[in-house]
Amino acid sequence: GDSVTQTEGLVTLTEGLPVMLNCTYQTAYSTFLFWYVQHLNEAPKLLLKSSTDNKRTEHQGFHATLHKSSSSFHLQKSSAQLSDSALYYCALNRGNYAQGLTFGLGTRVSVFP
Amino acid sequence: ETAVFQTPNYHVTQVGNEVSFNCKQTLGHDTMYWYKQDSKKLLKIMFSYNNKQLIVNETVPRRFSPQSSDKAHLNLRIKSVEPEDSAVYLCASSRRDWGYEQYFGPGTRLTVL
Repeated sequence: GDSVTQTEGLVTLTEGLPVMLNCTYQTAYSTFLFWYVQHLNEAPKLLLKSSTDNKRTEHQGFHATLHKSSSSFHLQKSSAQLSDSALYYCALNRGNYAQGLTFGLGTRVSVFP
Repeated sequence: ETAVFQTPNYHVTQVGNEVSFNCKQTLGHDTMYWYKQDSKKLLKIMFSYNNKQLIVNETVPRRFSPQSSDKAHLNLRIKSVEPEDSAVYLCASSRRDWGYEQYFGPGTRLTVL
């Protein structure tokens, strides 16, 4: 079956430093890749999505590039802000809306002053 | 306001009771989903529902059942709750198109005593 593997556990960093969260996936199908962010006690919200190989996608200061050759969709930001503290999920949809999304385990990011 | 709405926010109940959670979306989407987010923040699809077609994740116990009156509503009923059902239940919706992002509600937190 499909699977998504993310940077595990907790990532702590200082405000102003770069952020990189790894995401790799396995599927036998065509894919859309997503990054969702969930702040405490809130709904997960879409941050980025892509299905185009080697094309950078950007939103709210974050960016990611889907590399199908390495099955990766890493999330990056050049300068972390306190408000980036949240739970980040990488997810894939394999070309059938009815299957829903397959999520990674989630990565918690804590940004300190 | 266009969004995904869930009620109640929280529910505490005893083992063996029946519970029902409501979900409504005002986004004009035609597909709705239920996900379970467990205590380790693992997010898993439970059901997807489109045009009266129900797709069930094979790992979902039979005591769970979705109920829909129209494409804007998808409720979740649990017939006889078990302790392992304690979790946050997230409702989501999307357009049917492949790769279209899913929009999530804030969730219903269920605690089974």
